[in-house]
Amino acid sequence: EVQLVESGGVVVQPGGSLRLSCAASGFTFDDYTMHWVRQAPGKGLEWVSLISWDGGSTYYADSVKGRFTISRDNSKNSLYLQMNSLRTEDTALYYCAKATASGSLDYWGQGTLVTVSS
Amino acid sequence: EIVLTQSPGTLSLSPGERATLSCRASQSVSSSYLAWYQQKPGQAPRLLIYGASSRATGIPDRFSGSGSGTDFTLTISRLEPEDFAVYYCQQYGSSPITFGGGTKVEIK
Repeated sequence: EVQLVESGGVVVQPGGSLRLSCAASGFTFDDYTMHWVRQAPGKGLEWVSLISWDGGSTYYADSVKGRFTISRDNSKNSLYLQMNSLRTEDTALYYCAKATASGSLDYWGQGTLVTVSS
Repeated sequence: EIVLTQSPGTLSLSPGERATLSCRASQSVSSSYLAWYQQKPGQAPRLLIYGASSRATGIPDRFSGSGSGTDFTLTISRLEPEDFAVYYCQQYGSSPITFGGGTKVEIK
């Protein structure tokens, strides 16, 4: 059974930093591209970032480019999101998601809540 | 960036009725890399349709997707009680990946 479990969400002040983690199991982690998607309270889905199976390619939404860094450790079946210079508008539930070979997102974690507030 | 506009924002229907949800793209979606997701309150999104018209594993055949280019449709042939939820379209053919704003299907 595929499982994705996010962690690391906390309350942080504007300008602060945070690292989210996603522990994956139930599939061959290093075969798949992985994504972060976020959802602000009461709002829709917003794609954040993706990383290729080997970490060689990364892409970001303009809203986080230069502040967030996606990475993975295939030896630990883990995905990460380093978040710097956090803003109040980064407040959201952050999901990690597994991509299919064609790119749609077939498995999602339950999310970890990041609150940016003074 | 490809902007996806979903309509209507809210659809009020009764169980057993047909639901038709629209997703319009600001530019052509490459190779029909268009997906639909269902999200219920307090839950993560669930993949329903990928490649514009292919059902994901375990998705009932009352869900169907169609369209190409800039106009896509998700149809639920007969609404079951568990289908009342929010539905999002997503394009994954070009960067940045984008989602539509969602359509809420509510019980009338």
